[in-house]
Amino acid sequence: KNEVEQSPQNLTAQEGEFITINCSYSVGISALHWLQQHPGGGIVSLFMLSSGKKKHGRLIATINIQEKHSSLHITASHPRDSAVYICAVRDYGQNFVFGPGTRLSVLP
Amino acid sequence: DSGVTQTPKHLITATGQRVTLRCSPRSGDLSVYWYQQSLDQGLQFLIQYYNGEERAKGNILERFSAQQFPDLHSELNLSSLELGDSALYFCASSPAVNQPQHFGDGTRLSIL
Repeated sequence: KNEVEQSPQNLTAQEGEFITINCSYSVGISALHWLQQHPGGGIVSLFMLSSGKKKHGRLIATINIQEKHSSLHITASHPRDSAVYICAVRDYGQNFVFGPGTRLSVLP
Repeated sequence: DSGVTQTPKHLITATGQRVTLRCSPRSGDLSVYWYQQSLDQGLQFLIQYYNGEERAKGNILERFSAQQFPDLHSELNLSSLELGDSALYFCASSPAVNQPQHFGDGTRLSIL
């Protein structure tokens, strides 16, 4: 069992739809990161969370430490949101463990 | 533009060789991270430096080494290269140890 799992693996949505990507982890963590990797390969850090909820524009990230689960929500999705979304956790040993990524395609 | 600069963008070399990848962090950032992204293993954390000192170590092979210099730029040295070392190598930086990171565009290493 991987330490960080994501679902779904692939997701296709229509423009304007509300999108949820899930991340579950099995280790104790000091922080959880959501990253966005564009088709060209560049990586952008979207959120760093240790508790609760954060919002940035149309993106919302939540984390439930007790359930070892985080969600990334995209409201009013747009084709430019098409990317791979990666969940990563930092464990207490200061190591980063990455999920396999969720490939999102938003169609116009 | 993240402000993190990685050079070179592409590197092609042969098995057994040694290469050096360079990273200049965002102005004011003291912490530098190195990651490897390969097709079969995804993203992996290699090593983190903070203000010149090694802060955390991940899945970094003994053939690989890194350092952060007094001007805060960092270098990742890969030696005795193998075909399996072909990957994208990303550098990221953050102001302090546990803060959001800004990623460079990566160096694509191809081993022939």
